[in-house]
Amino acid sequence: QKEVEQDPGPLSVPEGAIVSLNCTYSNSAFQYFMWYRQYSRKGPELLMYTYSSGNKEDGRFTAQVDKSSKYISLFIRDSQPSDSATYLCAMRVETSGSRLTFGEGTQLTVNP
Amino acid sequence: ETGVTQSPTHLIKTRGQQVTLRCSSQSGHNTVSWYQQALGQGPQFIFQYYREEENGRGNFPPRFSGLQFPNYSSELNVNALELDDSALYLCASSFPGGYGYTFGSGTRLTVV
Repeated sequence: QKEVEQDPGPLSVPEGAIVSLNCTYSNSAFQYFMWYRQYSRKGPELLMYTYSSGNKEDGRFTAQVDKSSKYISLFIRDSQPSDSATYLCAMRVETSGSRLTFGEGTQLTVNP
Repeated sequence: ETGVTQSPTHLIKTRGQQVTLRCSSQSGHNTVSWYQQALGQGPQFIFQYYREEENGRGNFPPRFSGLQFPNYSSELNVNALELDDSALYLCASSFPGGYGYTFGSGTRLTVV
């Protein structure tokens, strides 16, 4: 069983839709949770960063962490065609330095 | 200089050969990590370097090795290449334990 599970999609939505992306994990030691966006042929770009449980909002993006359920989410409001990319969740434990454990990634297409 | 730069962008090697990939860290970042991303998968942690020493390693064999130089640039060396080594190799730099991981655009390695 993978430490981090993420539905690979693909997910296709119309412009303006609310997008919900999710990951589950099995390692209760994970304390730091991140969402990365990766465009084709590019490296991952950090979108959101959350420590422990709770919500964090940044513009059209909201990240939620529920440690009791080992479940994290990323919501994108008013989705735009430029949001079309692969979204990766990533996590790390307190003592792991820079070692990130990634999900498989969800491929998102926002149609004009 | 800002951002993480990787070279070369693309590389084709023959099974059994050796390859060296290079990374220049973002200015001020003294920790570098390397990841392997197979097609359609999330990045997998290979190892991390801090102050020119390896201080964390993922589930990769010893034929994957690295170096970090005093200017925080880094190399990833892979010996005895196998077909399954074909992937996008990503370099990420950060402060130790920081969350500001900056990824390069990667080197796409194809082993034939």
